[in-house]
Amino acid sequence: DAGVTQSPTHLIKTRGQQVTLRCSPKSGHDTVSWYQQALGQGPQFIFQYYEEEERQRGNFPDRFSGHQFPNYSSELNVNALLLGDSALYLCASNPTAFTYEQYFGPGTRLTVT
Amino acid sequence: EDQVTQSPEALRLQEGESSSLNCSYTVSGLRGLFWYRQDPGKGPEFLFTLYSAGEEKEKERLKATLTKKESFLHITAPKPEDSATYLCAVRGTGGFKTIFGAGTRLFVKA
Repeated sequence: DAGVTQSPTHLIKTRGQQVTLRCSPKSGHDTVSWYQQALGQGPQFIFQYYEEEERQRGNFPDRFSGHQFPNYSSELNVNALLLGDSALYLCASNPTAFTYEQYFGPGTRLTVT
Repeated sequence: EDQVTQSPEALRLQEGESSSLNCSYTVSGLRGLFWYRQDPGKGPEFLFTLYSAGEEKEKERLKATLTKKESFLHITAPKPEDSATYLCAVRGTGGFKTIFGAGTRLFVKA
């Protein structure tokens, strides 16, 4: 049973560029959340998707956007990259929207230069 | 606003030296308190969910407990392979987001 998968593993971008990160949830999971984790900090909630809709958003600017596809996979897009966007981006999935524990992928390490 | 504070920031133990990690939280109606383990450069690994005060859960050398304001992760006779960052998180009734603490970095020396 495959767990949560994310791609790519690592990414280097230049300030002002745009980036797309991808996530496939654990088999049977229909809810996907995205988190940003800076070095030495805990994950910070970006947003959650369920039934292809954004259910809730954290304190992140509109430069951060997402999408969920009918097969429950998801994308995170970040426009106009800033140096401060450098972080580990984590995707997590829930078995259903009404169960609370989340299962995380390995993350995508984004470096903005 | 929901908040999670973990202490200490870092903890160094000798192999076999038992100790506890603390997680203090404020939340508007607790749906669940979670503990995760995170190894460097990897995603968090789910350990426990606690739902109400007085609840306890165990897994190998780890035991998590919950009160109305705090949770403790007790580590009994730790081994070097227990070295990792331990994250505490809460989900309240006010929405769908999970709030994480900054974590406790545990180092266990052989």
